Amino acid sequence: DQQVKQNSPSLSVQEGRISILNCDYTNSMFDYFLWYKKYPAEGPTFLISISSIKDKNEDGRFTVFLNKSAKHLSLHIVPSQPGDSAVYFCAAAGQNFVFGPGTRLSVLP
Amino acid sequence: DSGVTQTPKHLITATGQRVTLRCSPRSGDLSVYWYQQSLDQGLQFLIQYYNGEERAKGNILERFSAQQFPDLHSELNLSSLELGDSALYFCASSANPDSRRYGYTFGSGTRLTVV
Repeated sequence: DQQVKQNSPSLSVQEGRISILNCDYTNSMFDYFLWYKKYPAEGPTFLISISSIKDKNEDGRFTVFLNKSAKHLSLHIVPSQPGDSAVYFCAAAGQNFVFGPGTRLSVLP
Repeated sequence: DSGVTQTPKHLITATGQRVTLRCSPRSGDLSVYWYQQSLDQGLQFLIQYYNGEERAKGNILERFSAQQFPDLHSELNLSSLELGDSALYFCASSANPDSRRYGYTFGSGTRLTVV
């Protein structure tokens, strides 16, 4: 049973437009949510996090929104750049981090 | 370079064999975590060590074992290998065992192929 789901395996957006990556979770006890970015042949790198007591956290071009009632979070990238092309993992903090399967983002020039 | 070093980068071995994956954490980090990523799957948590002691266990098979040594490097031992064990194995480290806000620092992984 997947506790963290990313239902879109892939997403393509035009350079300069907004990228929205979605994540759903089932366990209401998760208290932190994180996004990681992964390039080929590299390990995941931490991008941004949000506490369960907040509904928004912003860091430059990256904003994470949390809707606790819907058990849903999203990562917005504005504006999208070709260098953002990577696999994005959503992770939820329980006793340890539970990762979703990832969404492959392609930003087209 | 994340500061977390994993060796080897690639490993090809036969079914039934035993392999050891090695991880050196980022300088100063006391916690080491092992994750497995199979094809099109998310990262599955295997096990965590903190300063030499096992702290948490996830979906780790009995055929797998790990340890963290006094110099804080860690080894993941996989035995009686099966085709389904083929995956990317990531090691991660953190400065403290409750790195909920800033996450972990991951190595670049070891790709294991069992033939």
